[in-house]
Amino acid sequence: EAQVTQNPRYLITVTGKKLTVTCSQNMNHEYMSWYRQDPGLGLRQIYYSMNVEVTDKGDVPEGYKVSRKEKRNFPLILESPSPNQTSLYFCASRGRTGRDGYTFGSGTRLTVV
Amino acid sequence: AQSVTQLDSHVSVSEGTPVLLRCNYSSSYSPSLFWYVQHPNKGLQLLLKYTSAATLVKGINGFEAEFKKSETSFHLTKPSAHMSDAAEYFCAHPFSGGYNKLIFGAGTRLAVHP
Repeated sequence: EAQVTQNPRYLITVTGKKLTVTCSQNMNHEYMSWYRQDPGLGLRQIYYSMNVEVTDKGDVPEGYKVSRKEKRNFPLILESPSPNQTSLYFCASRGRTGRDGYTFGSGTRLTVV
Repeated sequence: AQSVTQLDSHVSVSEGTPVLLRCNYSSSYSPSLFWYVQHPNKGLQLLLKYTSAATLVKGINGFEAEFKKSETSFHLTKPSAHMSDAAEYFCAHPFSGGYNKLIFGAGTRLAVHP
């Protein structure tokens, strides 16, 4: 089954403790992206990657890092999480043209206390 | 600036009655447009897409949407709501005509009552 897999689904952490949210896709997509979803704001892009070793900032990159060492994986790293990063995070991938839309993961609900 | 506006944050309908979720977009590019649905504790699922072909687009689960360039709208409709349609719905279009980023509306939460 074609899918984007994120882990963990739920995470509660403390301020300043580094964490990584993993994302993997099995569709051989070159493009991957991270979004955060906040009430009343819809989804906002954090980072995206056009291919291995090619990443770029989205609209809200502050406080996040990404890496793309393999085509299938695109982890999101929070080096020093803060409470304002409490959110629902989605990883997504798309095919070459993008006209078929994105495939999204099931989401990671992060709470930073 | 490009934007997507979903005109209702909450819509409530009775089971068996029509559904209308409204979306307006602002873009200087001839847009593609998407509707996604998010069920509780689930990811986003693509409902339907418009990509410059037919202006009336049919999607999954009986939903359809009509692209109206003169009104810059892409409203989502369904003739008869089902309890399982209760979810949050997002309208989106690609930024600057490309597909490196989707611009999302704030979402519309659909409640369906028996």
